[in-house]
Amino acid sequence: QKEVEQNSGPLSVPEGAIASLNCTYSDRGSQSFFWYRQYSGKSPELIMFIYSNGDKEDGRFTAQLNKASQYVSLLIRDSQPSDSATYLCAVSRDTGRRALTFGSGTRLQVQP
Amino acid sequence: SQTIHQWPATLVQPVGSPLSLECTVEGTSNPNLYWYRQAAGRGLQLLFYSVGIGQISSEVPQNLSASRPQDRQFILSSKKLLLSDSGFYLCAWRTRQTSTEAFFGQGTRLTVV
Repeated sequence: QKEVEQNSGPLSVPEGAIASLNCTYSDRGSQSFFWYRQYSGKSPELIMFIYSNGDKEDGRFTAQLNKASQYVSLLIRDSQPSDSATYLCAVSRDTGRRALTFGSGTRLQVQP
Repeated sequence: SQTIHQWPATLVQPVGSPLSLECTVEGTSNPNLYWYRQAAGRGLQLLFYSVGIGQISSEVPQNLSASRPQDRQFILSSKKLLLSDSGFYLCAWRTRQTSTEAFFGQGTRLTVV
């Protein structure tokens, strides 16, 4: 079992729709959770960071965390073609090395 | 504000040649530093991390090494590159405080030929 699992996609949504990206993780000691956006050939860009159960909203993005279910999701409202990218989910403990463990990413395609 | 610099952006090296990639962080002190590698179409694999000057931990056995000669400088090296070392190398930093973000540099695309 992978430590962080994501559906590889591609997830295709029409412009203006809500894109829903999901991630599950196996380490119950995980305390910090991240969503990165990565365009082809570029480095990952942090778009959401969450560490408490519940929802966190930032503009068109909402991250949802459920530690009991070991599940974290990202909602993108009013999806734009510029949102087309690979979205990486990552988790970390907040002790020791505090390194991030990544999923393989979900490729999102927003159709104009 | 904090920034992270990584260079070079791209590199083509022959098999058996040495490697040195450098990463520096500005605007913060005593960060945790990380080297990741991303193979084509794959996720990010942690290679090394450092919690302080001269303190390096290796996550994956390989022919790469890392050093941290200064607080905000992190170097990835190899004495002899292999074809399998090709990939996208990313440096990242994170503060020592709990529950904080992690940020990546621009990355180095390494092709070993």
